Amino acid sequence: GNSVTQMEGPVTLSEEAFLTINCTYTATGYPSLFWYVQYPGEGLQLLLKATKADDKGSNKGFEATYRKETTSFHLEKGSVQVSDSAVYFCALPSGNTPLVFGKGTRLSVIA
Amino acid sequence: ETGVTQTPRHLVMGMTNKKSLKCEQHLGHNAMYWYKQSAKKPLELMFVYSLEERVENNSVPSRFSPECPNSSHLFLHLHTLQPEDSALYLCASSRTRGNNSPLHFGNGTRLTVT
Repeated sequence: GNSVTQMEGPVTLSEEAFLTINCTYTATGYPSLFWYVQYPGEGLQLLLKATKADDKGSNKGFEATYRKETTSFHLEKGSVQVSDSAVYFCALPSGNTPLVFGKGTRLSVIA
Repeated sequence: ETGVTQTPRHLVMGMTNKKSLKCEQHLGHNAMYWYKQSAKKPLELMFVYSLEERVENNSVPSRFSPECPNSSHLFLHLHTLQPEDSALYLCASSRTRGNNSPLHFGNGTRLTVT
């Protein structure tokens, strides 16, 4: 089935630093790709998605581009804030499974 | 209001207890799911319901028993659990089971089995 691999954390950055969290996928065809975020004490929230190759998903200053050449969907943000501290999950559907998630990358942003 | 409400938020139970987790979605969605989130492991899909019919059961032990009485409510009945079942249990819903239908999650129930 389809799968994702995302970079191990934790990632610690200073406020206003540039963020990249790597995600690569293995898939049959070109499924939609998703990034979810989990803030402390909460469930997962959809952050952004891309439905086809070369699509760019964006939300709250975060961006990710669906690149079929490199089978990647890296998450980026130009200037992180303390409030961005959370766990980030890359995900894609696989067969009848609604979503298969990566292991998550914990981001800590310090002032 | 997250759209998906889970109760209780925290639950501590002994191995011989019987308890139930409840999930309610206010989004008019047709599919509902239970996921298990354990430390240092990927999210594990446990059960899938579509239009109140269970369509997927991912080799989950029988000590976990789901129930979906209508499209808005989902329960997870627990009995004779083991300490390794301690985890965050997340309920989610989506408009359809389709691949492009994003999941909406509740805030989870933190379960501790003693």
